[in-house]
Amino acid sequence: KAGVTQTPRYLIKTRGQQVTLSCSPISGHRSVSWYQQTPGQGLQFLFEYFSETQRNKGNFPGRFSGRQFSNSRSEMNVSTLELGDSALYLCASSLRSSGNYNEQFFGPGTRLTVL
Amino acid sequence: KNEVEQSPQNLTAQEGEFITINCSYSVGISALHWLQQHPGGGIVSLFMLSSGKKKHGRLIATINIQEKHSSLHITASHPRDSAVYICAVRADSNYQLIWGAGTKLIIKP
Repeated sequence: KAGVTQTPRYLIKTRGQQVTLSCSPISGHRSVSWYQQTPGQGLQFLFEYFSETQRNKGNFPGRFSGRQFSNSRSEMNVSTLELGDSALYLCASSLRSSGNYNEQFFGPGTRLTVL
Repeated sequence: KNEVEQSPQNLTAQEGEFITINCSYSVGISALHWLQQHPGGGIVSLFMLSSGKKKHGRLIATINIQEKHSSLHITASHPRDSAVYICAVRADSNYQLIWGAGTKLIIKP
């Protein structure tokens, strides 16, 4: 079974631009969660999607948004990029939603650099 | 105070040593995860626990729900074990994962 894939792996943008990151979960997994990892803040939860619905959201501004498609693939979008958005963005998939006891499988991440 | 505290933050040991990494949390949880992150960034889930003890190869994870504490042990450590080990708890109030800051482990040959 293929693992979680994320595209692109690396991205360089400038302040004010917007970016879209993609995550394809493990086949059969219906839950996708997104995390931001920065050296100073560690891993922080962005949001979780299950069956095309946002089930949970972390404390991030509205510039961060996401969606999930019927095939469970998910995208996250960051508008009006700021220097502080430079981070590793990780997505994780699981079989069931976060309300259930189930393991998450992580993708390799997308490293975003904002100049 | 962070809801999930890991100790130590950094640990350097010699190959073959027995390693212990600790995780304490202050919220009610439904599960606790131990994950490993290598320098390239990829995260691998090692264990998911809600009680007791789990063993996989040279890795052992234990959890004490009453004391709100978990430990990850590595026996016969090897340089390839060098990585950041992260503890994360699933809060039973909102099901979000709350992450510890990680423990950076370096095993010297």
